[in-house]
Amino acid sequence: NAGVTQTPKFRVLKTGQSMTLLCAQDMNHEYMYWYRQDPGMGLRLIHYSVGEGTTAKGEVPDGYNVSRLKKQNFLLGLESAAPSQTSVYFCASSYSLGEANTGELFFGEGSRLTVL
Amino acid sequence: AQSVTQLGSHVSVSEGALVLLRCNYSSSVPPYLFWYVQYPNQGLQLLLKYTSAATLVKGINGFEAEFKKSETSFHLTKPSAHMSDAAEYFCAVSDKGGSEKLVFGKGTKLTVNP
Repeated sequence: NAGVTQTPKFRVLKTGQSMTLLCAQDMNHEYMYWYRQDPGMGLRLIHYSVGEGTTAKGEVPDGYNVSRLKKQNFLLGLESAAPSQTSVYFCASSYSLGEANTGELFFGEGSRLTVL
Repeated sequence: AQSVTQLGSHVSVSEGALVLLRCNYSSSVPPYLFWYVQYPNQGLQLLLKYTSAATLVKGINGFEAEFKKSETSFHLTKPSAHMSDAAEYFCAVSDKGGSEKLVFGKGTKLTVNP
C-alpha cells in the first residue's frame, strides 16, 4: 500500500520553463491538496480538489494550475516558473465530508523544486 | 477565520527532559485541532488530534496534548524526550468537518541534545 506518491522528487528549472508535478493516491480518497512549504512559513495551500473533475483555489494559487481528471491523481502545473516558486511541494489526500472525515491529511514525501 | 500561532520556531531540550511545544488557536466555531510531525526529508504525519471528545488527547510515541478552551490552547507535551523526537512539529486547526480548511502553524523545530 503506497499511500500518497509524488513524482518527481527533485527538479531544477530555469526561469520561464514549465513543468508538472504528479500526485497519486491509492486510498480512494475524495479530497486532494497541493501545499508548498517554505522556511518559517509553515505549509500554505495552493489548490485543492474535493472530487474528480473539481478544483478550487487555496491561499497561494497564483502561478499554478491543477487538474483532477482521475480520482487517484492530482496534477500541479507551473506554466512559467519563477524563482519565487522555489520550494518544497507536498501533496496530501483525505476522506470526504460524507465519510469518516476527521480532518486528517495523508501526505506524500515532497517534491523539491529549484527555479534558477 | 481560523488561525494558529506556534510560540517558538526552535525549541531545544536535553534527552530525558520534558518537551513542551506551544500552540494557540483562533476559531469562531468549536475547532478540530491537530499536531503533525515532520521528520527530515519526509512528509508530515499525524501525531494526534482533538475532535471534541476528551480534552486530553494521547498520540503516538508518548506525546499528548490538552485542549483548553479558556486559554484557546492545544500545547503538545512529552514527559521524557528521546533523540528520535528531533523533528519539526506543526499545529493545525479546522472547523468541524472541513478538512479542506485545515490551517497550519509555521512550525516548531525540536532539537534533542544528548
